[in-house]
Amino acid sequence: GAVVSQHPSRVICKSGTSVKIECRSLDFQATTMFWYRQFPKKSLMLMATSNEGSKATYEQGVEKDKFLINHASLTLSTLTVTSAHPEDSSFYICSADLDRGSEAFFGQGTRLTVV
Amino acid sequence: AQSVTQPDIHITVSEGASLELRCNYSYGATPYLFWYVQSPGQGLQLLLKYFSGDTLVQGIKGFEAEFKRSQSSFNLRKPSVHWSDAAEYFCAVGLYSSASKIIFGSGTRLSIRP
Repeated sequence: GAVVSQHPSRVICKSGTSVKIECRSLDFQATTMFWYRQFPKKSLMLMATSNEGSKATYEQGVEKDKFLINHASLTLSTLTVTSAHPEDSSFYICSADLDRGSEAFFGQGTRLTVV
Repeated sequence: AQSVTQPDIHITVSEGASLELRCNYSYGATPYLFWYVQSPGQGLQLLLKYFSGDTLVQGIKGFEAEFKRSQSSFNLRKPSVHWSDAAEYFCAVGLYSSASKIIFGSGTRLSIRP
């Protein structure tokens, strides 16, 4: 089956620094990837749609300057949390579209802790 | 707007008992519907999905779900739960008839009583 890998699985960073999370489709090409955020004991909130070779589309209420998304290749999307603050601490999950909206495959998630 | 509602925040069932997790959706057309399971600190695993056709869908790990258009529901069932089924379960719907851009319900935490 299709595999999506996220890296790192856990990261701790200091307030004010930036951290990058990678989402890779290992055995298929994904023109579209999605980023979700999950607060403790809460559901997953769609943050943005990442499109290869173009700007990401952000959901309402998501700060695009805070959460920078780059989808430079058909197998890699990155989410950079800029000037991180403790309230950015969360579980971030990506998914990749297998074939034009036919199915999404999820990464294992990244636990971000900002201290 | 499309939305998904899971009315039960937390359910506890005895091992070996049957299970039903409720899910209601709001969508104008025939939705793409999903059930995912998430173990603590882990990513998501797809249990089953409904796009069209037979309204009773079989999934992995002995789960099934039934799409009922008249009730706008997609409830998840399992005839006999195992301790390993303890996890968080999310019902989800594909946005704009997409099977990859998904919005999730609030989740139901399942605990298993020995």
